[in-house]
Amino acid sequence: DAGVIQSPRHEVTEMGQEVTLRCKPISGHNSLFWYRQTMMRGLELLIYFNNNVPIDDSGMPEDRFSAKMPNASFSTLKIQPSEPRDSAVYFCASSWGGRGNQPQHFGDGTRLSIL
Amino acid sequence: AQTVTQSQPEMSVQEAETVTLSCTYDTSESDYYLFWYKQPPSRQMILVIRQEAYKQQNATENRFSVNFQKAAKSFSLKISDSQLGDAAMYFCAYPGGSQGNLIFGKGTKLSVKP
Repeated sequence: DAGVIQSPRHEVTEMGQEVTLRCKPISGHNSLFWYRQTMMRGLELLIYFNNNVPIDDSGMPEDRFSAKMPNASFSTLKIQPSEPRDSAVYFCASSWGGRGNQPQHFGDGTRLSIL
Repeated sequence: AQTVTQSQPEMSVQEAETVTLSCTYDTSESDYYLFWYKQPPSRQMILVIRQEAYKQQNATENRFSVNFQKAAKSFSLKISDSQLGDAAMYFCAYPGGSQGNLIFGKGTKLSVKP
């Protein structure tokens, strides 16, 4: 079975540009999570969708960040405009059920570098 | 706020030996799950093992086992017969978020010496 698929794997862009990260969750999973990983702050939850509906976006750092899930098989995380402090690894994860009693399956992450 | 604490930023083990990584968490719940994830240099996040809090028996997956002490809110990971491929960051996680989302510890970097 295909796991969580993220693209791109690496993204390097200049400050001020729009960045779009993409995620395809595991088929049948109804919960999707976006995380950001940095050395300073570790793994942080940015936003959580359940049945395509954003449930908790309290982790989204600023209005420059937005996320959508138009259907059960696709989600995007967008940063506009990007800043150097947004440089991090961004993970998408999916699971069946949203109450944390099922393991989350992670994609390979997108390493984002903002110059 | 719910927290997950991994007090060992780095650990080292000799190949074929046993190592234990510690994790403590804070919760007022009585029924929950706990997870250990492994992140090798390839940066994948790989589920290692899951423990259900209502089960008294410690979970085991091949060379990986946990020592779950519910009263002490402790959830340590034991790796037996360590292999070079076990070298990675290990994260303990607990679904303590407001929506049941996972909260991760800061991680323990495990090195395996040949």
